[in-house]
Amino acid sequence: QQPVQSPQAVILREGEDAVINCSSSKALYSVHWYRQKHGEAPVFLMILLKGGEQKGHDKISASFNEKKQQSSLYLTASQLSYSGTYFCGTEKGTDKLIFGTGTRLQVFP
Amino acid sequence: NAGVTQTPKFRILKIGQSMTLQCAQDMNHNYMYWYRQDPGMGLKLIYYSVGAGITDKGEVPNGYNVSRSTTEDFPLRLELAAPSQTSVYFCASSTRAWITEAFFGQGTRLTVV
Repeated sequence: QQPVQSPQAVILREGEDAVINCSSSKALYSVHWYRQKHGEAPVFLMILLKGGEQKGHDKISASFNEKKQQSSLYLTASQLSYSGTYFCGTEKGTDKLIFGTGTRLQVFP
Repeated sequence: NAGVTQTPKFRILKIGQSMTLQCAQDMNHNYMYWYRQDPGMGLKLIYYSVGAGITDKGEVPNGYNVSRSTTEDFPLRLELAAPSQTSVYFCASSTRAWITEAFFGQGTRLTVV
């Protein structure tokens, strides 16, 4: 039931790109993306709704393919501030917000 | 705006003790959630509520209880604490679960010894 994220961890140099995937075994109505820095609470990045939309947040964007029940988060020209753990959250209209397994991203100078 | 406030921030409990984790939000959100996060792991949903008087189980409800008597407050009760309940607990709230962002409290770090 919990969405599966891949990869589990990513190590980047500043300026490099990364893609984080989120896959669900159940049909999705929407996908949330959050970032959590060490010792802090998760912080909202964006929500994608049915319709295959894409969204952007600074140099972070995402796509949602509801037929494949997948979402991808794209981090372009990564910055040191992008370091943290990224979680997707999924909701099928049951009022539950279930989070994925998480992807740990580390950006080095 | 205070947002979502959790108290206490830290707590050490002995095995078998009970306690209540407090969560309050001042954004008039209908939806509220309790998650636990074990070290290096993801967020697991314990209980959630869609409005005052309405609660339901999440992924890992055993050993916990909740109540929602007002829109603002959503306390989480631990009965007979066990070492397996050592975790960081996050409360979150949102206007509508699937179309609006969830706001998180700063968490309560609980250790059961």
